[in-house]
Amino acid sequence: GAGVSQSPRYKVAKRGQDVALRCDPISGHVSLFWYQQALGQGPEFLTYFQNEAQLDKSGLPSDRFFAERPEGSVSTLKIQRTQQEDSAVYLCASSLAGGSGATDTQYFGPGTRLTVL
Amino acid sequence: GDSVTQMEGPVTLSEEAFLTINCTYTATGYPSLFWYVQYPGEGLQLLLKATKADDKGSNKGFEATYRKETTSFHLEKGSVQVSDSAVYFCALASSYKLIFGSGTRLLVRP
Repeated sequence: GAGVSQSPRYKVAKRGQDVALRCDPISGHVSLFWYQQALGQGPEFLTYFQNEAQLDKSGLPSDRFFAERPEGSVSTLKIQRTQQEDSAVYLCASSLAGGSGATDTQYFGPGTRLTVL
Repeated sequence: GDSVTQMEGPVTLSEEAFLTINCTYTATGYPSLFWYVQYPGEGLQLLLKATKADDKGSNKGFEATYRKETTSFHLEKGSVQVSDSAVYFCALASSYKLIFGSGTRLLVRP
């Protein structure tokens, strides 16, 4: 299909391991977002890209979290030295336009469920 | 800061019952408002949205009206189906980012 895809769908990591989560946005979408969804909670904003530029990373919980989108398409969220509190579903979303885009629809992927043991 | 509060679940209804899920928000200005739905095993899907006061969003029999006076965006459906069982999230747009409520699980029994 032409939706947002994410891989892997499930990831189990031992505490201290590094992980990389991939997001393929809808083709042509300028804006890309990462959200973190803890169990039983709503998603919380992590970071925002407009093309390859990371315009907002204010939601990243610590400097162990790093996101990139080098060619303005695929994005990777990397978590270094994972901790148990990093266990969550990581959601990627994309939208067509850039700018404030307050009314732009964000289309979400299925998420990656990360479990840190 | 901006925030969204929605009623806690789970909400359990019989098929064909009337549904209301309450949502209120706190924000500066007049943000766009959204309802997203998450079916079991699937990603978040936009259900409906409203971009200004008194707008009514509607889709698949669901409706919500943007009420500036009460800062609310309650979700309603006149007759729920078993297939509506899911988690529903109310959200507002704070510039480009979405701020979500904690979600309300709906269970519809035949």
